[in-house]
Amino acid sequence: QKEVEQNSGPLSVPEGAIASLNCTYSDRGSQSFFWYRQYSGKSPELIMFIYSNGDKEDGRFTAQLNKASQYVSLLIRDSQPSDSATYLCAVTPSGSARQLTFGSGTQLTVLP
Amino acid sequence: DVKVTQSSRYLVKRTGEKVFLECVQDMDHENMFWYRQDPGLGLRLIYFSYDVKMKEKGDIPEGYSVSREKKERFSLILESASTNQTSMYLCASSLWGRQEKLFFGSGTQLSVL
Repeated sequence: QKEVEQNSGPLSVPEGAIASLNCTYSDRGSQSFFWYRQYSGKSPELIMFIYSNGDKEDGRFTAQLNKASQYVSLLIRDSQPSDSATYLCAVTPSGSARQLTFGSGTQLTVLP
Repeated sequence: DVKVTQSSRYLVKRTGEKVFLECVQDMDHENMFWYRQDPGLGLRLIYFSYDVKMKEKGDIPEGYSVSREKKERFSLILESASTNQTSMYLCASSLWGRQEKLFFGSGTQLSVL
């Protein structure tokens, strides 16, 4: 069983819609959760992090965490074509605060 | 502007060759990491280092070694390259205590023939 699972997609949404990206993790002791964005041919960059259950909003992005269900999601409101990228979910495994475990990513395409 | 520089963007090597991938960061970061990225498998951690001359194995260290003689430089070594090591290699760095905020280099696409 993969430690961090994401739907590989591709996920297509029309411009202006809400894009919902989902991630589940197997390590119940994981404490910290992150979303990285990777444009085609580029390196990943951190866009959101969340540590506590609930929602965290930053502009058009909302991260949601449910530790009981071992589930973290990223919502992108008013999606733009510039949001088209692969979104990587990452978690800090229990017992290791120095490294991240990444999911395989979800490819998002926002259609104009 | 913060920068993580990888020495080569594309590299082609033969099976059995010893391969060196170099990474330099100018942000005075303590932590440095080597990942490989393959389609459908995401980013997988090979090795990381949190101090000069210190190294720790990641999830897939077999067939690789690393060297960190200076704080700013972290090298990945493929002792005897094999075709299954054909991949995109990404170096990253972060501040001590801020391991989640990784700054990545632009990557090295290694092809082993």
